[in-house]
Amino acid sequence: DAGVTQSPTHLIKTRGQQVTLRCSPKSGHDTVSWYQQALGQGPQFIFQYYEEEERQRGNFPDRFSGHQFPNYSSELNVNALLLGDSALYLCASSTPRDRDNEQFFGPGTRLTVL
Amino acid sequence: AQTVTQSQPEMSVQEAETVTLSCTYDTSESDYYLFWYKQPPSRQMILVIRQEAYKQQNATENRFSVNFQKAAKSFSLKISDSQLGDAAMYFCAYRREGSQGNLIFGKGTKLSVKP
Repeated sequence: DAGVTQSPTHLIKTRGQQVTLRCSPKSGHDTVSWYQQALGQGPQFIFQYYEEEERQRGNFPDRFSGHQFPNYSSELNVNALLLGDSALYLCASSTPRDRDNEQFFGPGTRLTVL
Repeated sequence: AQTVTQSQPEMSVQEAETVTLSCTYDTSESDYYLFWYKQPPSRQMILVIRQEAYKQQNATENRFSVNFQKAAKSFSLKISDSQLGDAAMYFCAYRREGSQGNLIFGKGTKLSVKP
């Protein structure tokens, strides 16, 4: 049973560029949440997708957008990259059918903006 | 807004000994969940233990247990018989009842285990 997978593992971009990160949820999960973890900090919630719609959003600018596909996989897009966007981006999957609604995390994508 | 505070940036414990990691939180909600996550150098966040706020009994998972003090808004993690594999970043997290996402994390505590 594959867990949550993310690609790529590492990514280097320059300021002003755009980036797309990908996430495949754990088998049986239909909800995907994205978090940004800056160096030395705890993860911060970006947004959550369910039934191909953004259901919740944290305090992140519109430069951060996402998408969920019919197979429940998800993309995180960041436009006009800033140096401060350098971070580990974590994806977590879950399902409301699970009473505990535990979130399972992927290994993350390390984004470096130069 | 809810906040989670971990006041110990780093902790160290001798192998086989016991260590307690502290966490306090602030919320006006009465129903919520609290979690401790472990993040080893591999970066993958792993759930260690969960506590529902409506349960008075402290959660326990093998060598891991919590001391949940709802009135004091305190949620500490005790690791007994520490093992080398316990070395990692530990994050305390909060989730509002009915919210299927939106975990709010503390800044973490780096735990070192000495052989």
